[in-house]
Amino acid sequence: GAGVSQSPSNKVTEKGKDVELRCDPISGHTALYWYRQSLGQGLEFLIYFQGNSAPDKSGLPSDRFSAERTGGSVSTLTIQRTQQEDSAVYLCASSTKGNTEAFFGQGTRLTVV
Amino acid sequence: GNSVTQMEGPVTLSEEAFLTINCTYTATGYPSLFWYVQYPGEGLQLLLKATKADDKGSNKGFEATYRKETTSFHLEKGSVQVSDSAVYFCALSGTSYGKLTFGQGTILTVHP
Repeated sequence: GAGVSQSPSNKVTEKGKDVELRCDPISGHTALYWYRQSLGQGLEFLIYFQGNSAPDKSGLPSDRFSAERTGGSVSTLTIQRTQQEDSAVYLCASSTKGNTEAFFGQGTRLTVV
Repeated sequence: GNSVTQMEGPVTLSEEAFLTINCTYTATGYPSLFWYVQYPGEGLQLLLKATKADDKGSNKGFEATYRKETTSFHLEKGSVQVSDSAVYFCALSGTSYGKLTFGQGTILTVHP
């Protein structure tokens, strides 16, 4: 596609439920990133994928968070047993390999009630 | 670890006023520096970047110079427009890829 596509754009879930957020990167971009934008913490790096290399998971806040990238393209961020503090906008970005310029999607706004 | 500090907003200006948003950073080595902009209802967009000391990034009338001696990357524009109203984020990357450390963001509102 023309840009990074994320779905859903909005998600409301009950505390304790699991959620999956999807990201479809720009075609041809081998690098994919997840970030979280929240009122208290600002914009935080979560995880980075590059091709078949082991992902950089250094930003994941707890073991309730995980992400996978199948076939080197689409990625899914999963949050298990959601908590209210997980409420935030989850941003996905992609780039070409070795490029520091990342292109961002419009995000998924997650609200945990 | 790496960190970025931006001037707190919100910043409110009249059209054609001069804009400065301060940004300082802490990092080891030689990071790349960025300004991203988020217009209302839109995603983050790269505004400009600089990859080494004394480089000047520029785009859409905005400029920022990579100052290693003061660890700063202040954003400036000589004459702002209403359409510049947005949230501006300073960021750095200490890696060879797009793992970014962001500042807190500065809300800019420009009135006619």
